[in-house]
Parts: sequence; C-alpha cells; structure tokens
Amino acid sequence: KNEVEQSPQNLTAQEGEFITINCSYSVGISALHWLQQHPGGGIVSLFMLSSGKKKHGRLIATINIQEKHSSLHITASHPRDSAVYICAVGGATNKLIFGTGTLLAVQP
Amino acid sequence: NAGVTQTPKFQVLKTGQSMTLQCAQDMNHEYMSWYRQDPGMGLRLIHYSVGAGITDQGEVPNGYNVSRSTTEDFPLRLLSAAPSQTSVYFCASSYTGQGNTIYFGEGSWLTVV
Repeated sequence: KNEVEQSPQNLTAQEGEFITINCSYSVGISALHWLQQHPGGGIVSLFMLSSGKKKHGRLIATINIQEKHSSLHITASHPRDSAVYICAVGGATNKLIFGTGTLLAVQP
Repeated sequence: NAGVTQTPKFQVLKTGQSMTLQCAQDMNHEYMSWYRQDPGMGLRLIHYSVGAGITDQGEVPNGYNVSRSTTEDFPLRLLSAAPSQTSVYFCASSYTGQGNTIYFGEGSWLTVV
C-alpha cells in the first residue's frame, strides 16, 4: 500500500460543478502540499497545509491531522481547471512523498 | 524573478550517451532536489541538496550524479543513459524545513533510444 493515496484517480466534471479530490496518508507529517500540473506543463504549488483550512480563489484545501486525510475542493469548476492534482506529504525534513495524482477533466 | 529554470526541455539520447540537465534558482533556496515522473507513479526523489557542497541520495539515485558548487545551481548528470531513464525530470527548490512552499522547474522530457 502506498504511503500517500489519492482518490479518485480520474475525474470528469461538467463546468460549474463542485469538485472534491481526496488524499489519505499513512505516515506522520509536518506539512501537506497540493500541487497542480497541466498537461505537458510544469508543477505549481497550490497550497501548503499543516492544519485546518486554506482558501485561494475558487480552491479550498482542508486537512484533518488526526484522520490523516486532506481534501482539495474546487468550486464553480471551469475547463481551465483541467489538470493533474498531486498531493505530497513531508515530515521533519524537506523530503516529500507524492501521491500518483488525480487527473481532472472539466467539460464545457 | 525567474524562479526555477530547467534546461533542456526536450532531449533525445542514444543508449550509453551522457548528458547534464541544468537547474538554477534565483530565490536563495538552500534545498534543491531532482525528481523523475513516470506514468502511474508519483514523483520519485533522485538526489537532493541542503546547501552548497552538500548532496545526498534519494529513492532512485542509480545512474545519476549531482553536484552543488553554488547555492543557485544543481545539475543532474546521466552518466551512461539507459532506456529505463526515459522519463520526465523535475528540479525543485525551497527553503529548508517543512512548511515552505516548493517551487518546480518546467520539466525536462528525456527519451533514451
């Protein structure tokens, strides 16, 4: 079993829908990162969380340390949100363990 | 502010050839790392550095060398390319310690034939 599991692996949504991507992990962590990767493109950091909730525009990330679970929500989804969303967790050092990503396609 | 600059973006190598992937950052980050991304797998750490003159192996270091002579630069060398090294490579940097945003380069698509 992978130390970082994401679900779903693939997600297709209609424009305007509310989207949730989940990340569960089995190791102790100091921080959790949500990353975005567009097809053929680089990787961009969306959020870094150690507790609670963060919001940036239409994106919301939450983390429950006790349950070892985080969610990334996208409100009012748009085709430009189509990308791979990657969850990564880190302990005391800078080393990160990455999930395999969730491929999101938002159709107009 | 250029962030993390990674070159080349695309490269085709013949088995046995050597090459260097360049990575430079202008944010004075102590921590730099190289990852490879393969289909169906999460990013895997190849080598990392916590500062100039200090490097260490990650999860999949075989076939790769790194050096860190300056804070800004962290090149990745493929010593004798093999088809198994066909992958997308990402360089990343951040300040040391958890709780810091990580910045990635644009990626380098490497094909070994």
